[in-house]
Formats: sequence, C-alpha cells, structure tokens
Amino acid sequence: KAGVTQTPRYLIKTRGQQVTLSCSPISGHRSVSWYQQTPGQGLQFLFEYFSETQRNKGNFPGRFSGRQFSNSRSEMNVSTLELGDSALYLCASRADNSNQPQHFGDGTRLSIL
Amino acid sequence: EDQVTQSPEALRLQEGESSSLNCSYTVSGLRGLFWYRQDPGKGPEFLFTLYSAGEEKEKERLKATLTKKESFLHITAPKPEDSATYLCAVQARYGGATNKLIFGTGTLLAVQP
Repeated sequence: KAGVTQTPRYLIKTRGQQVTLSCSPISGHRSVSWYQQTPGQGLQFLFEYFSETQRNKGNFPGRFSGRQFSNSRSEMNVSTLELGDSALYLCASRADNSNQPQHFGDGTRLSIL
Repeated sequence: EDQVTQSPEALRLQEGESSSLNCSYTVSGLRGLFWYRQDPGKGPEFLFTLYSAGEEKEKERLKATLTKKESFLHITAPKPEDSATYLCAVQARYGGATNKLIFGTGTLLAVQP
C-alpha cells in the first residue's frame, strides 16, 4: 500500500512569491493534516481537512491556506512568501475521524531566498 | 494551554546501553498519545499509540508506557540503527471532531557502536 506522497520534495522561492504544495494521502484515507516543521519551533499544526471540509486551523496568518479535493488529495498554498516561511512542510493522513495514528509523508522542503 | 515537553533534548548512548526518553504533557482530555521516529530528511514514522494511563506497547527494543501526566519510551540494548529523533505528540479532546496533534520538540538520540 503506497504511503503519503508529497510533491515537490524541494522548492526554492523568493520573498513575495506564492507557492502551492501537494499531498496525496494513503488510499482510502479521508483526513489530511498539514504541519510546518522548523528547527526552532518543531512541528506546528497548520490545518486539517476531512471530506473536503476544513475542521481545524492552527495559529498561522491568513497567507497560509489549503483545500481538499473529492479524491482526498490536498493542497496548501502560501502567498506573499517571507523568509520565515522556510521550513519542512509535512502532510499526514488518517483513515477516518478517530484517534488512530496519522501517517506522514516525507515533506516538501521550502527555502525562501 | 495544551503542551508537550520532551526530555532530554539530546542523548548519546553506547550500543547496548539502555535508557529512557520522557514526554510530559498537559492536555484538556487525552484522546491518544503517539510516538514517532524521524530520520534526517524524512517524515515522522509512526511507532506507538497509547490511550489510557497504565497502557504499555512494545516493539523490538522499544517499549512505551503512559501515566496521567507523562509517557516514557524505554530503549533496551540500543543499536546504531536506533539513532533518530523521537517525537511525542498528543491528541486532545476538543469541542468538535479534530485530528490535530500537539508535538513536543523531540529527543535526538545517537547510539554509538
């Protein structure tokens, strides 16, 4: 069974640009969550989608947004990039609305110049 | 405020030298506590889920335990391949359904041959 797939793996952007990251969950999983990982803050929750609906959102500015499609694939978008947005962005999927474990992809490494 | 604290930040062991990692948490109603392992350049890999105080889970050289305030990850006779960052996360009971995880900052474990 294929795991969580994130594309692209690496991305370099400049300040002010916008970026879209993609996540394909494990087949059959309807819940997708996004996290930002930095050396100083660790993993911080961005938002969560279940059956195309955003259920929860972390404490990030409105420049960070996301969506989920009917096939459960998800995208997150960051507009007006800032140097501080440089991070590893991780996507995790779960089968349903339960306390079963989330399974993570290997992330997209975003570097802002 | 929900919070997860891991200690120590870093741990260096000799091969075969057993030790324990600590995860203390403050959460308004625990739905589950999760341990993950993260290798450099990879996403977190799921290890264990613990749901209630007194529960224990075991896998190869790893054993996770849970009390009402903390969890321990015991590593018995570690090998160099156990070197990684170990992350602890909790899922809290919020008003609505959510899969949000709150992570600690991790323990970087290095096992020397």
